Amino acid sequence: KQEVTQIPAALSVPEGENLVLNCSFTDSAIYNLQWFRQDPGKGLTSLLLIQSSQREQTSGRLNASLDKSSGRSTLYIAASQPGDSATYLCAVRRNSGYALNFGKGTSLLVTP
Amino acid sequence: SAVISQKPSRDICQRGTSLTIQCQVDSQVTMMFWYRQQPGQSLTLIATANQGSEATYESGFVIDKFPISRPNLTFSTLTVSNMSPEDSSIYLCSVAAAYSYEQYFGPGTRLTVT
Repeated sequence: KQEVTQIPAALSVPEGENLVLNCSFTDSAIYNLQWFRQDPGKGLTSLLLIQSSQREQTSGRLNASLDKSSGRSTLYIAASQPGDSATYLCAVRRNSGYALNFGKGTSLLVTP
Repeated sequence: SAVISQKPSRDICQRGTSLTIQCQVDSQVTMMFWYRQQPGQSLTLIATANQGSEATYESGFVIDKFPISRPNLTFSTLTVSNMSPEDSSIYLCSVAAAYSYEQYFGPGTRLTVT
């Protein structure tokens, strides 16, 4: 069974800092990995999708990397802003089926 | 990306009753899914809603408790039947893009069962 773990569970940083969120998964037989953002009381917003054959993806100030063999992904946020405050979720899709296995998320607070 | 809407956005229901949640997508999609997010827990896939056939349920979820309809390629409903307080969760609809399989989520329905 695929287990997805996100560390840290919560993080508070001052505005302007660069930060790294970590995601690990137990089964390396994945089809892709997706990072989401969830604001309080809202649904999920897709941030980045990394296919299993890729090493990284970038969108603006966000960069996600994937090391499938070691079962790890990181989300790098550059020059953090208060608007980045949200819960960040990592999810992996198995090679079989369509289910996404989610971590419990990292709750990020960026203070002005 | 698809634009997904859900109704209702939230509801408070009594034990033993049922609630039907609607999911509408602004474009035709083949793959549509229903997830549950219990308080403090990860999102969990309930089922894949198949157009024109019965939904495919994940382990631990059954059709009698979570009947799903998918009458066309833009709409689906999830019913939470005979509710108990343990069903208090956020229920989310999602769709997958045709080639990349990137998944997009609706805003969710926050259900509280008293």
